[in-house]
Amino acid sequence: GQSLEQPSEVTAVEGAIVQINCTYQTSGFYGLSWYQQHDGGAPTFLSYNALDGLEETGRFSSFLSRSDSYGYLLLQELQMKDSASYFCAIPDQTGANNLFFGTGTRLTVIP
Amino acid sequence: EPEVTQTPSHQVTQMGQEVILRCVPISNHLYFYWYRQILGQKVEFLVSFYNNEISEKSEIFDDQFSVERPDGSNFTLKIRSTKLEDSAMYFCASRPGTSGDTQYFGPGTRLTVL
Repeated sequence: GQSLEQPSEVTAVEGAIVQINCTYQTSGFYGLSWYQQHDGGAPTFLSYNALDGLEETGRFSSFLSRSDSYGYLLLQELQMKDSASYFCAIPDQTGANNLFFGTGTRLTVIP
Repeated sequence: EPEVTQTPSHQVTQMGQEVILRCVPISNHLYFYWYRQILGQKVEFLVSFYNNEISEKSEIFDDQFSVERPDGSNFTLKIRSTKLEDSAMYFCASRPGTSGDTQYFGPGTRLTVL
């Protein structure tokens, strides 16, 4: 089976940096994705790591360590609009790459 | 930028009734998915569809569920006899099908079963 663990809640101050961790267990690993979801909205793709290391996209970066079965999402220069839930997800072993989602981390950005 | 669309945005139905949720995936995508999210919980995979047939389905996707791609653009999820526990957000997603690509989600349909 597969499992993903994330902290349930994180609070950070506007302008600060926050890191959201994700540890995973799976029999076959193809990569780690991150999605953002605002209340009542759809999951929106943020990043995908298939190889170890850091991927940077603007204020958001994502890191993967396959040997540790661990990744994180790093959000810099936090803005109020970053308040949302953040899910890590892994595709399964089938050709369809069905996504298995973590339980999500609710980020609250405060002034 | 092309996007996945879903209709209706909100569907209210009585327990035992049939509902059809509709999705229009991004036009050149090859893989289509349905996911659901019960309020306050994580997103759960239901079914994937490729080359006009089901590719994979989860334990949630039992005999009351079915999917169809009736024409070249629409992708539907039918729930035959709705139950209270079917109340959730249902998201459609699509993916181009190339290696390492990602899934793009529609805005969702909120299904409320009374």
